[in-house]
Amino acid sequence: SQQGEEDPQALSIQEGENATMNCSYKTSINNLQWYRQNSGRGLVHLILIRSNEREKHSGRLRVTLDTSKKSSSLLITASRAADTASYFCATPPLTQGGSEKLVFGKGTKLTVNP
Amino acid sequence: NAGVMQNPRHLVRRRGQEARLRCSPMKGHSHVYWYRQLPEEGLKFMVYLQKENIIDESGMPKERFSAEFPKEGPSILRIQQVVRGDSAAYFCASSPDRVFQPQHFGDGTRLSIL
Repeated sequence: SQQGEEDPQALSIQEGENATMNCSYKTSINNLQWYRQNSGRGLVHLILIRSNEREKHSGRLRVTLDTSKKSSSLLITASRAADTASYFCATPPLTQGGSEKLVFGKGTKLTVNP
Repeated sequence: NAGVMQNPRHLVRRRGQEARLRCSPMKGHSHVYWYRQLPEEGLKFMVYLQKENIIDESGMPKERFSAEFPKEGPSILRIQQVVRGDSAAYFCASSPDRVFQPQHFGDGTRLSIL
């Protein structure tokens, strides 16, 4: 079953604008991760935020985590055409057995128009 | 330092044939994960392996699918007697031997069944 659900499914903005994507999840987590996927390519890890963190920055990326609401947001500031991609949140559910599989949402397809 | 290498990038099989997908993890990584992605969907976990051991195969169909990660050589995902519904992109990821680390993805194998 889907653990993460991204919102919106698609987002189209102009270069220079900010893009915000949201993710909701269902079960308790150790951390939440955001990945980017360019068309026809594999996923690239962007940022990992642990369950005891509320906010994390990496360059033009800002991620927040609200464990009480089971939600996270990814903000990309001053977007560029090269940011055009699909963005996924993923969580390793806290389960027994030591499995660190990731459970992905369906993603947000971001288009940044030049 | 080479990333995760998957081959072939594209694989075409006829119904009933076997498909073998290969994945070489990043140097120093001992954990391998296989995921499947249908068009416009997120990735779905299939199997998680460490050297010579299957840790979690909860996402793998019980029939026709198998995976291995031998002591020497790449990880192999094997699909026997392929059917049209097996058409998808198959991604491999690897991570180091520390808990809750980001996963590094290959560019996938696109499997098409005629």
